[in-house]
Amino acid sequence: EPEVTQTPSHQVTQMGQEVILRCVPISNHLYFYWYRQILGQKVEFLVSFYNNEISEKSEIFDDQFSVERPDGSNFTLKIRSTKLEDSAMYFCASSDLGLALSNEQFFGPGTRLTVL
Amino acid sequence: DQQVKQNSPSLSVQEGRISILNCDYTNSMFDYFLWYKKYPAEGPTFLISISSIKDKNEDGRFTVFLNKSAKHLSLHIVPSQPGDSAVYFCAASPPGTYKYIFGTGTRLKVLA
Repeated sequence: EPEVTQTPSHQVTQMGQEVILRCVPISNHLYFYWYRQILGQKVEFLVSFYNNEISEKSEIFDDQFSVERPDGSNFTLKIRSTKLEDSAMYFCASSDLGLALSNEQFFGPGTRLTVL
Repeated sequence: DQQVKQNSPSLSVQEGRISILNCDYTNSMFDYFLWYKKYPAEGPTFLISISSIKDKNEDGRFTVFLNKSAKHLSLHIVPSQPGDSAVYFCAASPPGTYKYIFGTGTRLKVLA
């Protein structure tokens, strides 16, 4: 069964450092997403991406964040200068229909980011 | 942002009985609702969904009910099994958007 994969499973970084979280979406999916879940809180939408551009982003997704699809398989989330409050579980998701109607997003297992 | 709320953080049910998980929302424009299940150290897994034009959708042991006038949806699991023990999130999608708005989750424990 196809699945979304994410690497690394756990990333530890120092405050102010750049991190890149990697995702391989399901191969025939065209829409990609990043969500995050701070410990004990709900899963929050960060950004959606289609046709090599951002479709929608939340207010969390500020200038410190960027996404990229550098090749035909990877989808990355970059945080330029990490802050303590960026510590969270980051989930990548993909779907094959954009407007979420009659369609579900498939989530990866997540990358736990710890900022020290 | 409290657009989707799950007021019960946890629920315990005996194996074989019905589990009812509840979710309330505030935005009447939401047009699609979903339930996801999450095990520790894994990503959310899709369970079942319902469009706002329906009031019920059933898939095996899982049934989702939508009451638009009350802005309430519920997930029924019957019969409950120990493997159903997980955190359950409801999510809603505003029209014309690509994102899901999640509730805070309900931890279900099914006791053998």
